[in-house]
Amino acid sequence: GAGVSQSPSNKVTEKGKDVELRCDPISGHTALYWYRQSLGQGLEFLIYFQGNSAPDKSGLPSDRFSAERTGGSVSTLTIQRTQQEDSAVYLCASSLTGGNTQYFGPGTRLTVL
Amino acid sequence: RKEVEQDPGPFNVPEGATVAFNCTYSNSASQSFFWYRQDCRKEPKLLMSVYSSGNEDGRFTAQLNRASQYISLLIRDSKLSDSATYLCVVNPGTASKLTFGTGTRLQVTL
Repeated sequence: GAGVSQSPSNKVTEKGKDVELRCDPISGHTALYWYRQSLGQGLEFLIYFQGNSAPDKSGLPSDRFSAERTGGSVSTLTIQRTQQEDSAVYLCASSLTGGNTQYFGPGTRLTVL
Repeated sequence: RKEVEQDPGPFNVPEGATVAFNCTYSNSASQSFFWYRQDCRKEPKLLMSVYSSGNEDGRFTAQLNRASQYISLLIRDSKLSDSATYLCVVNPGTASKLTFGTGTRLQVTL
């Protein structure tokens, strides 16, 4: 079946611009996660959606970062006024429910010039 | 103390060698455990779950020691294709997000 998909695969933007990254989870998965991974570093948790519960936003690094999940499916991560330190690979994952095996998308490589 | 700790390596081993990684976790109430593999510039992928009784999948063996709060991954007869970063993953409780370690890098050489 279809896995987690993310778009775009690559995004180059100028400092100060806003960007939107999209994630399509596996159908039927109620849990969705966003992570960030800088070159050579580990995964940095950003935000977690579980069903209709309030999202766990504890990993968002600043108020420039926000995410929403519409209809319990597709999610969008928005970064406002991008900075060079935002350059990283942004990974989305979904799981059947929270705490279960996570399946990752291929990621969006963001470069802020 | 970090929730999940791993030796970052790199572990450089020759083909055919046996190599083992350990990972410690801080939350004694943690419910489930996994090993993920991440190839260079790729997304992490599930390698295997770790069961209380220990489990084996081909050349890979995973074990859990709840008393000492660590999990291990043993790779026998290493192949060049095993070169990757191995991520230790812990579920601290039901319906919780998973906690990922920073990974242990393995390089298998000729």
